[in-house]
Order: sequence, then structure tokens, then C-alpha cells
Amino acid sequence: DAGVIQSPRHEVTEMGQEVTLRCKPISGHNSLFWYRQTMMRGLELLIYFNNNVPIDDSGMPEDRFSAKMPNASFSTLKIQPSEPRDSAVYFCASSLDLYDRISYEQYFGPGTRLTVT
Amino acid sequence: QKEVEQDPGPLSVPEGAIVSLNCTYSNSAFQYFMWYRQYSRKGPELLMYTYSSGNKEDGRFTAQVDKSSKYISLFIRDSQPSDSATYLCARTNDYKLSFGAGTTVTVRA
Repeated sequence: DAGVIQSPRHEVTEMGQEVTLRCKPISGHNSLFWYRQTMMRGLELLIYFNNNVPIDDSGMPEDRFSAKMPNASFSTLKIQPSEPRDSAVYFCASSLDLYDRISYEQYFGPGTRLTVT
Repeated sequence: QKEVEQDPGPLSVPEGAIVSLNCTYSNSAFQYFMWYRQYSRKGPELLMYTYSSGNKEDGRFTAQVDKSSKYISLFIRDSQPSDSATYLCARTNDYKLSFGAGTTVTVRA
């Protein structure tokens, strides 16, 4: 298996522009997570999907952030408009998660390094 | 107060030394405790997990949990340069992982 795939790996954009990050989870995994990692705040959960349905978006920082999962093999995280403080590494992770299991093993993608100037 | 506190280091040790990493947590209801390893420019990967107090060994790695003091530790024996990475402790009761800040470890050859 190729693991979790994220694109692009690097994104440099100007303030005010729309940014779309993409993720393909591991085939057969039911749960998908978007994280953001910065030096100041560490690794933070933004949103969690289970069976393509958003379950918890309490970590999404502002309305400028939105995420979708139209099918089991694809998810997007969109920032519109982007701001310099959004600069971070964004990770997508997936897990084989059932409602009666603890999802402690999450498989992370390589991340997208976003720089907003 | 963060749910999981971890000293960010950095920590530099000579090859062959024992690496000792520690975290504390604030919620006594937590059940599962994990250590993730993150190499530079990569995503985190699960190294070890445990759900009970005591020690769990996997090769050169030992995870230790003390629920009475809310303390989590990771020990790396006979450290190698390939162990150079950032180590993140985490805890969960469900789907939501709460991570520590991560400790950056460098093992000098």
C-alpha cells in the first residue's frame, strides 16, 4: 500500500488567495483526520471524518477553513482567504476505525508545507 | 494547561547512550498512551502504545506509564544515529489524539 497520499507537498501563496490541500487515505480505512503542526502550537486536530461524514470540526480555527470528503478515497482542506498565520505543515491521517474501537493508530501522510506571504 | 505536557528539548546524546523521554498528562480518564516518532520532513508514525500502568518493551524501546502520578516515559537503549527524530507522546480515549509538543533527539555518532 502506498500509504496516505497528500498533495501538494509544498505550497507558497499570497495572502488572500484560496488554498486547497488534498488527501487520499489508505484504502479500507474508515476514518480521516486533518492536523496542523506549528512550532508554537504543536500538532493540532482540525477535523475528523468517519465514513465520509464530518464528526468533529471543533478544531477548525475559523470559518475561512473548510473540509470535505466526497468519497472514501478523497478529502480536501480549503482555506479561503489565506493569511500569513495559516503558514504551517498540514497533515492528513487515516485509521481503520470502528465505533467500538479506540483509534490510537493513525497513519499520517507526508504533509503539505504551506507558506502564506 | 495543555492536556499533555512534554519538554521540547532538544536532547543530544552519544551513540549507545540511553535516551529518556517524559510526558505528564492532566486528565486521569485517559486510557491509551502512545509514542509517535517523527523524522524531519515526514509525518509522525506510531512507535508504541500502551493502556495500562507498568512497562511495555519492544526491542530497544520501553514505554512506561504511571497512572498514579500521570507520568509517561519512553526509554531508548543502545541509541543509534537512526533514532535521531522528534518523539511525540499522545493520549486518547477515543478518536481524538492529544499530542505533546515533541522532544527532538539527536544521537551523535
